[in-house]
Amino acid sequence: GEDVEQSLFLSVREGDSSVINCTYTDSSSTYLYWYKQEPGAGLQLLTYIFSNMDMKQDQRLTVLLNKKDKHLSLRIADTQTGDSAIYFCAESTAGGSYIPTFGRGTSLIVHP
Amino acid sequence: EPEVTQTPSHQVTQMGQEVILRCVPISNHLYFYWYRQILGQKVEFLVSFYNNEISEKSEIFDDQFSVERPDGSNFTLKIRSTKLEDSAMYFCASSAGGSYNEQFFGPGTRLTVL
Repeated sequence: GEDVEQSLFLSVREGDSSVINCTYTDSSSTYLYWYKQEPGAGLQLLTYIFSNMDMKQDQRLTVLLNKKDKHLSLRIADTQTGDSAIYFCAESTAGGSYIPTFGRGTSLIVHP
Repeated sequence: EPEVTQTPSHQVTQMGQEVILRCVPISNHLYFYWYRQILGQKVEFLVSFYNNEISEKSEIFDDQFSVERPDGSNFTLKIRSTKLEDSAMYFCASSAGGSYNEQFFGPGTRLTVL
């Protein structure tokens, strides 16, 4: 079945860029997502990218998709302490009713 | 801003007991979901619900689990006879449907089975 893998922790200094990486196995993935979970809150969709795109930019966020390598990344420019959270990579396919398959989540720790 | 709510935030139960986890989805959403995350593991899909019936379920969602939308606002997950391995964070989500199917998640219920 589908699998999504991501590293568990990332620590960065405030003001630096953060890059969170993810790999997935399903070559028929249609949408790839990044969700953010802040302490005590539910997962919140941060951004998504359609599989026929290779890049999407939204303010400080840049999503890069390498379909050949099945690699997705999320870059956060000028990382702030408020960006500290768990970031979940996910993918979905039309055949799966667009129900996302999630990774374990990457804990981003931003220190001053 | 509308949000998905879940109660309780933490439930402790004895093995073999029945538990009901409650969720109030966003009011105009049509699709409802339950996921779980065992500590340190991935967020796993359990079940989706649409038009008052289960539309999809995973292998995890066996006969011990059931879902219900009893009154048009609440969406519940029942575990009939809890096992130690049911200890996890349970997330409810809802969506309006559509192409990329943005799901809105509740804050979760932490279930601890002793």
